[in-house]
Amino acid sequence: QQQVKQSPQSLIVQKGGISIINCAYENTAFDYFPWYQQFPGKGPALLIAIRPDVSEKKEGRFTISFNKSAKQFSLHIMDSQPGDSATYFCAPSYDKVIFGPGTSLSVIP
Amino acid sequence: NAGVTQTPKFQVLKTGQSMTLQCAQDMNHNSMYWYRQDPGMGLRLIYYSASEGTTDKGEVPNGYNVSRLNKREFSLRLESAAPSQTSVYFCATKPDRGGYGYTFGSGTRLTVV
Repeated sequence: QQQVKQSPQSLIVQKGGISIINCAYENTAFDYFPWYQQFPGKGPALLIAIRPDVSEKKEGRFTISFNKSAKQFSLHIMDSQPGDSATYFCAPSYDKVIFGPGTSLSVIP
Repeated sequence: NAGVTQTPKFQVLKTGQSMTLQCAQDMNHNSMYWYRQDPGMGLRLIYYSASEGTTDKGEVPNGYNVSRLNKREFSLRLESAAPSQTSVYFCATKPDRGGYGYTFGSGTRLTVV
């Protein structure tokens, strides 16, 4: 059974702080490592993704760090804002996609 | 806006009733998917369709059927609803090439009483 684990399960960060969410996987066949963002009442939306040939990708305030040997990748949100409050899912993929259980982020003023 | 449209947004069914969830995409993708989302369990794949005329079971197909009506539309049917099927259902599509990122619909919240 393929497993994808996320930590923490929930996270509270003050406005302006750094939010860090981790994803650990088992299957070395994964070749695409995305993070999805989901607001209440909405479907998940692709936020940022990385391929295994790079160790880091940055898009604005969002950064993915990828550690192939540890089979982990993480999402860093710099200067976190209340509008970032959402649930975040990692979803490593090859021809199949395995979603993590999600991390609920609350950014407080 | 291009995307994935799901109907209805909300539905309450009695145990044993049937219903069909509709999904349409205007992104011209071949692949379409049905997921269910339950608290603490992420998203689980029910059925998918790699192209018009083909469908395959996912992780949790029991109690569901699907129809790929044409390239745009992919419906999910509950023949005899059970309380265990209370969930939020999402339809999704993804590009055929160039990446695996999904575009999701806004979901159908189904309650079976």
